Amino acid sequence: GENVEQHPSTLSVQEGDSAVIKCTYSDSASNYFPWYKQELGKGPQLIIDIRSNVGEKKDQRIAVTLNKTAKHFSLHITETQPEDSAVYFCAGTDNYGQNFVFGPGTRLSVLP
Amino acid sequence: DAGVIQSPRHEVTEMGQEVTLRCKPISGHDYLFWYRQTMMRGLELLIYFNNNVPIDDSGMPEDRFSAKMPNASFSTLKIQPSEPRDSAVYFCASRPQGSGELFFGEGSRLTVL
Repeated sequence: GENVEQHPSTLSVQEGDSAVIKCTYSDSASNYFPWYKQELGKGPQLIIDIRSNVGEKKDQRIAVTLNKTAKHFSLHITETQPEDSAVYFCAGTDNYGQNFVFGPGTRLSVLP
Repeated sequence: DAGVIQSPRHEVTEMGQEVTLRCKPISGHDYLFWYRQTMMRGLELLIYFNNNVPIDDSGMPEDRFSAKMPNASFSTLKIQPSEPRDSAVYFCASRPQGSGELFFGEGSRLTVL
């Protein structure tokens, strides 16, 4: 089955700096890679996703890159703001998420 | 749209008691998922349904856990009897056919004493 690893487990950045979170996956059949943001006391919420036929996707300050050969994908947040502070989860799955496997999460703190 | 609705938000119970968690998915969503979140194990899929039919329950920890979806707008996760190690936040999520996006509820925080 799929195994998703995520690094770092915690990340602190100064407001305005960039943050990068990296994930690796094991199952070459995985073709859909979403990123979820979880704020305190709430459920995770999708912020960006990428399919395996695309190498990069960007949405304003957030971007995701995918390297299928190396089986890793990364979340990039530029010009970080305090409201970006949350736990971020990556996930890998095939067939549009019949069974997501989530990474362990990264706690991002943006310091003012 | 009210989103995925879960109840109760918080539950404190004693070991051995029955616990029932409830979920109302977003109308029109074909898939419903139950996840458990703990510090040690992260987000774990317990079971998911497609059109009210359980498809994969391999994540259900043991026979003490059961889940039902009697209709498209309601699902329950039951633990009987509960144990302290069941303490966690339980999330329900739904998604429509043809989309990869999971819509999570706000979770039910369970504490078993």
